[in-house]
Amino acid sequence: SQELEQSPQSLIVQEGKNLTINCTSSKTLYGLYWYKQKYGEGLIFLMMLQKGGEEKSHEKITAKLDEKKQQSSLHITASQPSHAGIYLCGADTSENYGGSQGNLIFGKGTKLSVKP
Amino acid sequence: NAGVTQTPKFRVLKTGQSMTLLCAQDMNHEYMYWYRQDPGMGLRLIHYSVGEGTTAKGEVPDGYNVSRLKKQNFLLGLESAAPSQTSVYFCASSYSSLWGYEQYFGPGTRLTVT
Repeated sequence: SQELEQSPQSLIVQEGKNLTINCTSSKTLYGLYWYKQKYGEGLIFLMMLQKGGEEKSHEKITAKLDEKKQQSSLHITASQPSHAGIYLCGADTSENYGGSQGNLIFGKGTKLSVKP
Repeated sequence: NAGVTQTPKFRVLKTGQSMTLLCAQDMNHEYMYWYRQDPGMGLRLIHYSVGEGTTAKGEVPDGYNVSRLKKQNFLLGLESAAPSQTSVYFCASSYSSLWGYEQYFGPGTRLTVT
């Protein structure tokens, strides 16, 4: 079965610093989702990547999917306290469009703390 | 638009008691999901539904039952609660698009079984 491994498990950065979170899959990624979870709350969708080499940005957050589609990275530029939370990657379990029926598997998350 | 709502937010049960968690969405989404989140285990899918009247098992279905009688509601039942079911439960809904399945999550239900 497919597994997603996230690294690091936790991260503490000084405000204003850049950081990267990685998500590595044991199998090819056919759809890779990034979510953010604030402590004690539900998950908020950030971005979704499908194609090898794809890169998407929203405000100061950039997500990339490597060419081989087995690893994704989430990069935050000039981190702020509002970026603190748990970042989770999720992946589609089927290569066929509609095959997974949205049945995603998730990594265990990366806990990010930003020191002011 | 309330999005995805979950009832209740908190609950304490004794071993052997039963309860039902309610999830409601007002986005007309076809797909709905129940997850549990445990420390060190991440988010795991319990059951999901691809439409009204249909349900399917996820990764950890044992000890839970679900029903989707109405498109907007997805119920998660615990017939005989066990301490191992102490967890935070999240409901999510999504639609299918060319770009995949963007899931919208509820705020969670924190359940403690003593």
